[in-house]
Amino acid sequence: DSGVTQTPKHLITATGQRVTLRCSPRSGDLSVYWYQQSLDQGLQFLIHYYNGEERAKGNILERFSAQQFPDLHSELNLSSLELGDSALYFCASSVSGAANTIYFGEGSWLTVV
Amino acid sequence: AQSVTQLDSQVPVFEEAPVELRCNYSSSVSVYLFWYVQYPNQGLQLLLKYLSGSTLVKGINGFEAEFNKSQTSFHLRKPSVHISDTAEYFCAVQGAGSYQLTFGKGTKLSVIP
Repeated sequence: DSGVTQTPKHLITATGQRVTLRCSPRSGDLSVYWYQQSLDQGLQFLIHYYNGEERAKGNILERFSAQQFPDLHSELNLSSLELGDSALYFCASSVSGAANTIYFGEGSWLTVV
Repeated sequence: AQSVTQLDSQVPVFEEAPVELRCNYSSSVSVYLFWYVQYPNQGLQLLLKYLSGSTLVKGINGFEAEFNKSQTSFHLRKPSVHISDTAEYFCAVQGAGSYQLTFGKGTKLSVIP
């Protein structure tokens, strides 16, 4: 158990819909990261928050957004869902950033039908 | 920017045989290097990391990796594999000054009884 908690574990939704994935980082970790894992793209970095502020953006679509709240939990919002958004979405956390171990949650499986 | 190449997508090996999973990286800045393992239907677990110092790094479950700066490689090795090592292994790089990890495409290790 990494200490990073993600909900829901599995989600099936229809195209065009919107979903929210939730993440609680390890106790004491200020950095939260979101990654997408798909068969064709592999593990792709989406976005990084540090203590409530956005620090870096990766290959995140405009239809996707994220935020980190004052209690440090984070949410990833996916809207206007397409079939190609079906993937495993990981949340990860670390104490700060560089050179610190990044711990991953077990992921949220999203299936868009 | 950084990139990671894992040269083998699948590696079958007999139980108790040695294994090497290859990883090469590209970066214009100094890097930190990581190996993660993903067991079926689970999240990513850190095996080992190289930050600085000795180029031979030992990790969990009997794995080790050697950092070779001149060849920009960070190959993962285990002298004797077990059935329980069957999983997908990801090499990742973190560039100095950045926080997120850039992952390779992964290598699926299958241990044959």
